[in-house]
Amino acid sequence: AQSVTQLGSHVSVSEGALVLLRCNYSSSVPPYLFWYVQYPNQGLQLLLKYTTGATLVKGINGFEAEFKKSETSFHLTKPSAHMSDAAEYFCAVSDREAGTALIFGKGTTLSVSS
Amino acid sequence: GAGVSQSPSNKVTEKGKDVELRCDPISGHTALYWYRQSLGQGLEFLIYFQGNSAPDKSGLPSDRFSAERTGGSVSTLTIQRTQQEDSAVYLCASSFSGRAWEQYFGPGTRLTVT
Repeated sequence: AQSVTQLGSHVSVSEGALVLLRCNYSSSVPPYLFWYVQYPNQGLQLLLKYTTGATLVKGINGFEAEFKKSETSFHLTKPSAHMSDAAEYFCAVSDREAGTALIFGKGTTLSVSS
Repeated sequence: GAGVSQSPSNKVTEKGKDVELRCDPISGHTALYWYRQSLGQGLEFLIYFQGNSAPDKSGLPSDRFSAERTGGSVSTLTIQRTQQEDSAVYLCASSFSGRAWEQYFGPGTRLTVT
């Protein structure tokens, strides 16, 4: 069965600092991988996804993630945090073969201080 | 509208009452998913509809939960005899057939059971 682990339920950074949110997955086959963001009192928004091809994926708002099969990881990064990046971030996987529901991690809340 | 819509946005109910939550998917999307977002639990898959196929109910937590999808479009999630632990945000998502890995989420219904 697939599972997703997000290391750190809370991450705090200063404005302008590097953002690194960690995600590891467990899957018998390489899955599709996603990062979603949820701003306060809003719905989920897709940040980026990896399906096939280039393992470094660029998303919206300057975020990117790299699929590392050997490490079963899909960490999310942004070189310079903005106050507006404060939100909850979810990593998710989808079975590439069955293509059904997403399996989510428990989320990481990102706080950005000035 | 262009996105997934859900109603009501907020629902407060007394323990033991039944509730119905509605989801209107994006027009043309044949796949529809329900998830539950509980504090500290992240996002849990509940049920998945794909066209006319039998739904995948593997995520429903108990037989008090059921869902239907009429005419391949609107879906209703019903919770019978609500319990306090049912308090959560219920999210609906939809996708095109064959693109189950690209799901679009609605804003959710916040259910509070008192």
